[in-house]
Amino acid sequence: DTGVTQSPTHLIKTRGQQVTLRCSPISGHKSVSWYQQVLGQGPQFIFQYYEKEERGRGNFPDRFSARQFPNYSSELNVNALLLGDSALYLCASSLDTEAFFGQGTRLTVV
Amino acid sequence: GQSLEQPSEVTAVEGAIVQINCTYQTSGFYGLSWYQQHDGGAPTFLSYNALDGLEETGRFSSFLSRSDSYGYLLLQELQMKDSASYFCAVRALMGYQLIWGAGTKLIIKP
Repeated sequence: DTGVTQSPTHLIKTRGQQVTLRCSPISGHKSVSWYQQVLGQGPQFIFQYYEKEERGRGNFPDRFSARQFPNYSSELNVNALLLGDSALYLCASSLDTEAFFGQGTRLTVV
Repeated sequence: GQSLEQPSEVTAVEGAIVQINCTYQTSGFYGLSWYQQHDGGAPTFLSYNALDGLEETGRFSSFLSRSDSYGYLLLQELQMKDSASYFCAVRALMGYQLIWGAGTKLIIKP
């Protein structure tokens, strides 16, 4: 069991650019969720996917999009980056009531 | 709106017992989870309460009162490695979406 893996671990982008973050869930987990965590705050829910279908969307602008692939891995895309998008982006996979988190991608927008 | 309230910071002495409270106001409720997060790390699952009462897992216990929209995390025999941020999170909808509190920073002194 390799756990939830996210890539890249760190990323620096310029305002206006686009970014793609990747997540591989724990083997056998069909649900993947994305969260944004700003320093000093709790994670904020962005998306949930289950069996390649979007099951939930948080209060984020349309610049944020995601998808899940047949192998249950997932990508989070953010377009037209703003300085305020700088945060730790966490991916979690779930089988039941417990969510297992990856180490996250630290995105810095300059 | 949906909100979770927990103290921003709690200080305790090594070997002591500490309780971290959480009150919630959400449009739905399926369960209350607790997560631990060390600086720079990913949240790790501690416990989940779907029904009223106390759940015990080693040195950690969690309590839920649905009628009071209230729960707490109890940490016993505190160790220096328990210094971290602790988050309560509500599963407000069927699925794996979590609504998080802002976190409680636990500071442990020798």
